[in-house]
Amino acid sequence: QVQLVQSGAEVKEPGASVKVSCKASGYTFTTHDIYWLRQATGQGLEWLGWMDPNSGYTSYARTFQGRVTMTRNTSISTAYMELNSLTSEDTGVYYCARRAAPDSWGQGTLVTVSS
Amino acid sequence: DIVMTQSPDSLAVSLGERATINCKSSQSVLYGSDNQNYLAWYQQKPGQPPKLLIYWASTRESGVPDRFSGSGSGADFTLTISSLQAEDVATYFCQQYYNTPRTFGQGTKVEIK
Repeated sequence: QVQLVQSGAEVKEPGASVKVSCKASGYTFTTHDIYWLRQATGQGLEWLGWMDPNSGYTSYARTFQGRVTMTRNTSISTAYMELNSLTSEDTGVYYCARRAAPDSWGQGTLVTVSS
Repeated sequence: DIVMTQSPDSLAVSLGERATINCKSSQSVLYGSDNQNYLAWYQQKPGQPPKLLIYWASTRESGVPDRFSGSGSGADFTLTISSLQAEDVATYFCQQYYNTPRTFGQGTKVEIK
């Protein structure tokens, strides 16, 4: 079955960067776009951007332009999301998901930004 | 950006009764060339990622119980749970995928009365 498995929780200091991975299985990785979203505790969902794993094309939300980078390694069916210049406002659970109306989600990666 | 507004913010319904959640978009999410509404509904339980229930505004995802239904077009949409079960206690979100950035409603928390 389709699975997206994310890397483990991270604790970062303000100003640092975090890189979250998302390993896909159960389908051909290059055939579906990968989306990245986040959710602060008790809050709604915020869309960071998406990537076409086939071409590497990316599109980022304006809020995160210049601070987020999405990449992939097709040989291991893994997508990555790196967020720079972290502040406490970036604390939350980060999800990868498949397709524009996501039918499969990673389990989530808790990123805590604290000094 | 398209703003998605859900109502109500929370809802308490008796077991077996109907629950109705509304979602309004700040502009139409009906795409003229394919006549599809780019609107999805999700269910999220604490500590879990969201689960896709409905896409194209009214198409039920495989495996989703038929007590869940979606309706509406253009900028006004509704998710209906026809007979609330205990396992339906969750927060429900609508999302537009008409354009980027993809945007979500603020969520509606459904509880048992």
